[in-house]
Amino acid sequence: AQSVTQPDIHITVSEGASLELRCNYSYGATPYLFWYVQSPGQGLQLLLKYFSGDTLVQGIKGFEAEFKRSQSSFNLRKPSVHWSDAAEYFCAVGAPDFGNEKLTFGTGTRLTIIP
Amino acid sequence: EAGVTQFPSHSVIEKGQTVTLRCDPISGHDNLYWYRRVMGKEIKFLLHFVKESKQDESGMPNNRFLAERTGGTYSTLKVQPAELEDSGVYFCASSQMRGREFFGPGTRLTVL
Repeated sequence: AQSVTQPDIHITVSEGASLELRCNYSYGATPYLFWYVQSPGQGLQLLLKYFSGDTLVQGIKGFEAEFKRSQSSFNLRKPSVHWSDAAEYFCAVGAPDFGNEKLTFGTGTRLTIIP
Repeated sequence: EAGVTQFPSHSVIEKGQTVTLRCDPISGHDNLYWYRRVMGKEIKFLLHFVKESKQDESGMPNNRFLAERTGGTYSTLKVQPAELEDSGVYFCASSQMRGREFFGPGTRLTVL
């Protein structure tokens, strides 16, 4: 069974500082990997995803993530955060199997931005 | 293009009552998913429709939950009778292609 661990429940970062959110997964092969963001009152928005190929993935809003097979990780990064990045971030994995499209999410990391 | 919409945005009911949540997917999206987040925990998969058929309902917690998708358009999720542990945020998502799921804002269900 697949699982996702987001070890940081809450992170506080100063505006303009760099950000890294951690995500580790458990899956027997290479899964599909996703990062979603949820702002207050909004639905989950896809930031980026990894299916195959280049292990460094670029997403929207200046985010990127790197798939590291040896570490079973898919950490999310941003070089300089903006106040509007304050939200909750979810890492998710999916099985690359036809007909098995459910996503398994982590517990989320809440990001607070301070001036 | 309208996004995924969910109704109501918030529902407060008493234990033992029935509640029906509705999801309107993006027009033309064959895939429709239901997820639930219990407070402080991870978002968990409930089930997946392809058009009007249930592709995967492995995440449905018990037979108090009934999901339907009449005509392959909107979907409803009924909880009958509701229990305290059913409280949480219920998300709906739709897609036409794997990896391009669009999520709705969720319905917050509170069972007292």
